Amino acid sequence: SAVISQKPSRDICQRGTSLTIQCQVDSQVTMMFWYRQQPGQSLTLIATANQGSEATYESGFVIDKFPISRPNLTFSTLTVSNMSPEDSSIYLCSVDGLAGVPDTQYFGPGTRLTVL
Amino acid sequence: GQNIDQPTEMTATEGAIVQINCTYQTSGFNGLFWYQQHAGEAPTFLSYNVLDGLEEKGRFSSFLSRSKGYSYLLLKELQMKDSASYLCASMGDNFNKFYFGSGTKLNVKP
Repeated sequence: SAVISQKPSRDICQRGTSLTIQCQVDSQVTMMFWYRQQPGQSLTLIATANQGSEATYESGFVIDKFPISRPNLTFSTLTVSNMSPEDSSIYLCSVDGLAGVPDTQYFGPGTRLTVL
Repeated sequence: GQNIDQPTEMTATEGAIVQINCTYQTSGFNGLFWYQQHAGEAPTFLSYNVLDGLEEKGRFSSFLSRSKGYSYLLLKELQMKDSASYLCASMGDNFNKFYFGSGTKLNVKP
């Protein structure tokens, strides 16, 4: 099965700064997604990263706060901009269609972000 | 709107059987997925149902009733390593969009 990696695995950041999270897949995938999982909560979809076009954001998430890049079929980045303590969360990328199970999403290991 | 409900927490004994329920109300339905998430780790895919009935995969089985908006995950012969959160997710009208429940934390005791 494909390997999904994320960098960094964790970071502690100061309020007002920005952090870019990378997601790399070792095979080409059609769909890549970014989720947020706040402490003790379930996963909330931030956006779908579209290759070659602007990401599709869910209600409550905007491009200025969470710019996303998808330059090719194996890589995407999520930037958390102008951070505040409320952005402290685990950020996960996911891809679908791996391992022959259609429409199933598989997750990267996550990036644990703490904003002071 | 989207509404996925699961119990918050359950406790079971090693070697026993436990059933984790999930009810859903989503705009459109194209599948129900179960994920396991150990503390501090990413969710891992367990099982999915598209049609009504039971899908069995070793010690794990998942059941779906579309008319009732109901699914359950059945774990048999519980092991200590099964202590984790179990997430139910519904795939809506957009085949790529998952709606996750809040997760059920399962504690397996000796």
